[in-house]
This record gives sequence, structure tokens and C-alpha cells, in this order.
Amino acid sequence: GQQLNQSPQSMFIQEGEDVSMNCTSSSIFNTWLWYKQDPGEGPVLLIALYKAGELTSNGRLTAQFGITRKDSFLNISASIPSDVGIYFCAGYALGGSQGNLIFGKGTKLSVKP
Amino acid sequence: SAVISQKPSRDICQRGTSLTIQCQVDSQVTMMFWYRQQPGQSLTLIATANQGSEATYESGFVIDKFPISRPNLTFSTLTVSNMSPEDSSIYLCSVGQGKNIQYFGAGTRLSVL
Repeated sequence: GQQLNQSPQSMFIQEGEDVSMNCTSSSIFNTWLWYKQDPGEGPVLLIALYKAGELTSNGRLTAQFGITRKDSFLNISASIPSDVGIYFCAGYALGGSQGNLIFGKGTKLSVKP
Repeated sequence: SAVISQKPSRDICQRGTSLTIQCQVDSQVTMMFWYRQQPGQSLTLIATANQGSEATYESGFVIDKFPISRPNLTFSTLTVSNMSPEDSSIYLCSVGQGKNIQYFGAGTRLSVL
């Protein structure tokens, strides 16, 4: 079935660093969603994107819907300790129903020792 | 967004037993979904819970193992039947709201001994 390639799989941050992660698909998507999951919690929606080229911010987070409609990226600026967690991209392929939300494998953000 | 309550938040069960997970939403929603998240993995859709009719299961998931009820527009249950250690996972319910967005409950952390 349809899969999303999310990278990097994990990364270590120091407070104040900028972070970037991305997601690619083999087919065209009409919606991209970015979620964050903290330990012991369910995924929480960060940003939703609906149009090619769309750039949307939520505080220090910025996400873009790729021009080809097959990719999206999420940037976090000036990271802080509470940014630690697992970030998932998710989306709907063109023609997909609302139940057919496809998830990436996640990017785990940790703090550098 | 809807407030989603899941119960229990965690449980430890013996193999061969069954556990029913409840999902309560604070507003009426058309679309409700059940996901499984295996340890360290991404989310996999189990089924769409349809109000007043049988759930729609994804490939690899069957009604005998994961019976679902959806008696009204604010409530659903997922039962994990005849459990084995391989069923140890996080089980999440979500609701569809707005434009192609799913909101998630906090999840039920199940360990099967």
C-alpha cells in the first residue's frame, strides 16, 4: 500500500538549534498534516496544509506543502526542551477518503547529552 | 477541536482474555476511527467505526479479533479479543473533523502477558 518516507528517523538537538524534517510520497497528496506525539499521549495536530506551495506557521513551527504535491517539510526554529517528542507526517492521497490517512514512520527528536 | 476521552489509559492483561476500550467524544461526529501503534512504530488504521452499521476493517484486521461498536455519534468501543503478547500495543481512537483532519485520544497502552 501507499507509504510515506519520513526523514530523518531520529535527531538530537541542542536548545536553540533549528530543526528540519521532511516527508515524501510516491503519489500526489491533497492534504498534509503534521502531528507531535509525547510519551503517554496521542498525536496532537500541529499544522494542516491543503495547497501546493502553501507555507503555514504555528509559533516556531513552519510547514510547507511541496510544489510537486509529493512532499512536505516541517521546520522548528530555536528549539526548546519541550520540543522533544516524535513528529509524524500524515496525509491523504488524491482521491483518498477521510479514513485513509497515511502516516510516516516518525522523526524522534531528542536532546543532546 | 473535539475532546476525546479514552478508557482505560493502560492495562495489563493475561493471554486469552479480552479487553474493551471505550472512546467518548464531547460532540457528535460522523467519522470515528481506531488505530494500533506497535512499540516504536507508526500508526496503522484498524477500522472505521460506522454509526448504526458494521465497522469497515482494513486489510489484516478482522471483526472476530477486533469487534467494534458505534451505538451513537459520540461513543465507540474496540474489543481486543483472545489476546496474545503480540497484541501489546497502543490503541488509539480518532475523530474526523473539519477539512481532512483527524484528532486523537490519548490512547490505551495494552500489555499482554
